[in-house]
Amino acid sequence: AQKITQTQPGMFVQEKEAVTLDCTYDTSDQSYGLFWYKQPSSGEMIFLIYQGSYDEQNATEGRYSLNFQKARKSANLVISASQLGDSAMYFCAMRLPYFGNEKLTFGTGTRLTIIP
Amino acid sequence: SQTIHQWPATLVQPVGSPLSLECTVEGTSNPNLYWYRQAAGRGLQLLFYSIGIDQISSEVPQNLSASRPQDRQFILSSKKLLLSDSGFYLCAWSVKRQGAGGYTFGSGTRLTVV
Repeated sequence: AQKITQTQPGMFVQEKEAVTLDCTYDTSDQSYGLFWYKQPSSGEMIFLIYQGSYDEQNATEGRYSLNFQKARKSANLVISASQLGDSAMYFCAMRLPYFGNEKLTFGTGTRLTIIP
Repeated sequence: SQTIHQWPATLVQPVGSPLSLECTVEGTSNPNLYWYRQAAGRGLQLLFYSIGIDQISSEVPQNLSASRPQDRQFILSSKKLLLSDSGFYLCAWSVKRQGAGGYTFGSGTRLTVV
């Protein structure tokens, strides 16, 4: 079974600095997708970025980039120029592409606090 | 455009009472539907997922059940709530064989069992 590990329960970062949130995964499948979600205090889950296991380039979405190292099975999220509004819980997730069984497995999350 | 509605937003229920949480999706057909639960300060745990009407898989044995009476309606139920059922419940949908960003979550229901 697949597993997602996020080893940083909480992080404090100065505003405008870059921050890296760690995520490692474990699966024996060659085809999979990796996601990052942001959960502010309101509870909604906001999709940030996606990386497919066969994508040759690291995914980027605005200030978010995903540092994908397939051999190490890591998919770290990098937020450049952090803002106060980035304070939230961040979850890494993985999905296996089996038809009819496209479930997301989540890590335990990292609580990011941006300090002004 | 596709939207997902989940209600109620908050709920306080006594131990032993029944539960019914509803989730509906608009603007798409034949979606995969999911119920997740999040305990305070924890990650998301998949409870149920459905690939079609009356096709529901349970991930975790518990006193909860799910039903999908219509293509875009997903209901989470319990006959008798336990204190351990407290948490934040999220409904989500995805298209089949989805690509990037294929999961959309509802706004969640915060359930407190007292």
